[in-house]
Amino acid sequence: EPEVTQTPSHQVTQMGQEVILRCVPISNHLYFYWYRQILGQKVEFLVSFYNNEISEKSEIFDDQFSVERPDGSNFTLKIRSTKLEDSAMYFCASSESTDYGYTFGSGTRLTVV
Amino acid sequence: AQTVTQSQPEMSVQEAETVTLSCTYDTSESDYYLFWYKQPPSRQMILVIRQEAYKQQNATENRFSVNFQKAAKSFSLKISDSQLGDAAMYFCAYSPPLYNFNKFYFGSGTKLNVKP
Repeated sequence: EPEVTQTPSHQVTQMGQEVILRCVPISNHLYFYWYRQILGQKVEFLVSFYNNEISEKSEIFDDQFSVERPDGSNFTLKIRSTKLEDSAMYFCASSESTDYGYTFGSGTRLTVV
Repeated sequence: AQTVTQSQPEMSVQEAETVTLSCTYDTSESDYYLFWYKQPPSRQMILVIRQEAYKQQNATENRFSVNFQKAAKSFSLKISDSQLGDAAMYFCAYSPPLYNFNKFYFGSGTKLNVKP
């Protein structure tokens, strides 16, 4: 069964450093998303991406965040200057159309120290 | 504003028994989608079942079924013949209509324990 692949599975970074979280969506999917889940809290929407541009973003997704689809297969989330409160599980998801559920990746656990 | 509420932080069920997880949501839309996702200890999010609001028939997937009450804005998940592998966090999610690029709103989750 096709999978959404996320790398790395766990990343530890110093506060203030830049991190890039990588995702490889399912190949025929057109819609891409990032969500995050702070430990013990709800899964929160960050951003949706379609046709090489952001279609919607949440208030969490401020100027410190950016997304990119650099080569037609990867979908990346960049955090420019990490803060302690960015520590969370980050999920990438993709979907073939807007009328079905996502396929989520297995997540990247980001720890900011 | 769309909100999703799961009022049961934790539940337990005996293996082979049936359990129902509840979910309510708030929306002013008439057409939308509802989902249940399972998150095992690995923290991967796995789609369990989906329901289109315009369909009156309740969705079923093997041992999983929903009770969708549109007027009451209720969307409960029933797991029959519970298995040890069903132990996980379960999240209810709401998605607005198609033109809004599937921004999901998740509930806070219910932790399901399955006792052997």
